[in-house]
Amino acid sequence: GAVVSQHPSRVICKSGTSVKIECRSLDFQATTMFWYRQFPKQSLMLMATSNEGSKATYEQGVEKDKFLINHASLTLSTLTVTSAHPEDSSFYICSVSPGLEFSYEQYFGPGTRLTVT
Amino acid sequence: GENVEQHPSTLSVQEGDSAVIKCTYSDSASNYFPWYKQELGKGPQLIIDIRSNVGEKKDQRIAVTLNKTAKHFSLHITETQPEDSAVYFCAASKGNTNAGKSTFGDGTTLTVKP
Repeated sequence: GAVVSQHPSRVICKSGTSVKIECRSLDFQATTMFWYRQFPKQSLMLMATSNEGSKATYEQGVEKDKFLINHASLTLSTLTVTSAHPEDSSFYICSVSPGLEFSYEQYFGPGTRLTVT
Repeated sequence: GENVEQHPSTLSVQEGDSAVIKCTYSDSASNYFPWYKQELGKGPQLIIDIRSNVGEKKDQRIAVTLNKTAKHFSLHITETQPEDSAVYFCAASKGNTNAGKSTFGDGTTLTVKP
């Protein structure tokens, strides 16, 4: 499977500040990347889908102006949480998919624990 | 949209016993069904998957079965070991270029007692 990294692994920020999380595909070019949010003891909730060189597609209920996604290259996607509030505290996980015709798999990063104080 | 239900939410077994986790899905167009293992504080790891043109797939101690007619699929772990303890998620998607747009079950916390 693919190797995906995320940075940072955990971050603590003050309410009102912005935080950027990086997701990197280390061993293949990821046409498509996904961002998920996971609250404690809950399932993964898809936030948005990003394709290299185009705007991200956000899921219903996810504020695109608050969660800025940039997929500037085939190996890097970033998620910026703007004006963070305590309710944004969560585990953010990215995944990559080859996006090829017969490639169904997606591979997840290790996650980033965001705590907003 | 797709709805995936997963049961049980918690499962405790003795080491060496088998564990079975079941999922049902609602969208008959879904054709890709992966299973993920998530350890505490880590991202999910793909452990096995099955496509709709196959009824069963096995990889060592792990197997997955799919019943398209009934729209359910199951994960079977044999000879469980303490290191199998984790949260397991099933998912369903309409594969191909939309592979990542999966709908996940709520997860099953598996505890294997030594």
